[in-house]
Amino acid sequence: AQKITQTQPGMFVQEKEAVTLDCTYDTSDPSYGLFWYKQPSSGEMIFLIYQGSYDQQNATEGRYSLNFQKARKSANLVISASQLGDSAMYFCAMSGGGAQKLVFGQGTRLTINP
Amino acid sequence: NAGVMQNPRHLVRRRGQEARLRCSPMKGHSHVYWYRQLPEEGLKFMVYLQKENIIDESGMPKERFSAEFPKEGPSILRIQQVVRGDSAAYFCASSLDTHSPLHFGNGTRLTVT
Repeated sequence: AQKITQTQPGMFVQEKEAVTLDCTYDTSDPSYGLFWYKQPSSGEMIFLIYQGSYDQQNATEGRYSLNFQKARKSANLVISASQLGDSAMYFCAMSGGGAQKLVFGQGTRLTINP
Repeated sequence: NAGVMQNPRHLVRRRGQEARLRCSPMKGHSHVYWYRQLPEEGLKFMVYLQKENIIDESGMPKERFSAEFPKEGPSILRIQQVVRGDSAAYFCASSLDTHSPLHFGNGTRLTVT
């Protein structure tokens, strides 16, 4: 069975600093995908970034990058130059077995302080 | 290009009533997924559908819950005889194929009184 673990229930960061949100995963599937989603207080789920298990390069999307360490089974999200609007819940998720049946972690609540 | 559209945004039902949640996938997407989120928790998979077919319903409660994705029209998640424990946010997501990222709707927040 697949499992996602996010060990940081909450994080507080100063504006403009970089922040790393931790995510470790467990799966026996050789092919899988790793995702990060942002959920602001308004409740919607916003797709941020995707990493495939066979991708050689770490994924990047603007200020977001995914630090993929396959041997350690970790897929940490790095947000550079944090902004007040980054305050939200962040969920790490994974898919496997050729389907998008995502398994989500418990989430990390990120608060950016001015 | 409109995103995944869910309605209603908020739904209040009394115990014993039926709840019908609607989801229109992104244009061109034929894969639809329903997830449930309890307060302060991550999303939990419920069901995966393609047009007119249920592909995987391993996350659906055995009773009272059903889902469909007809040839024409939105996908519907139906909860019969709702109970307080059904109160949650229900998210629909769609994808182009089984390898593309899921795009989520804004969710329907169901409150059972």
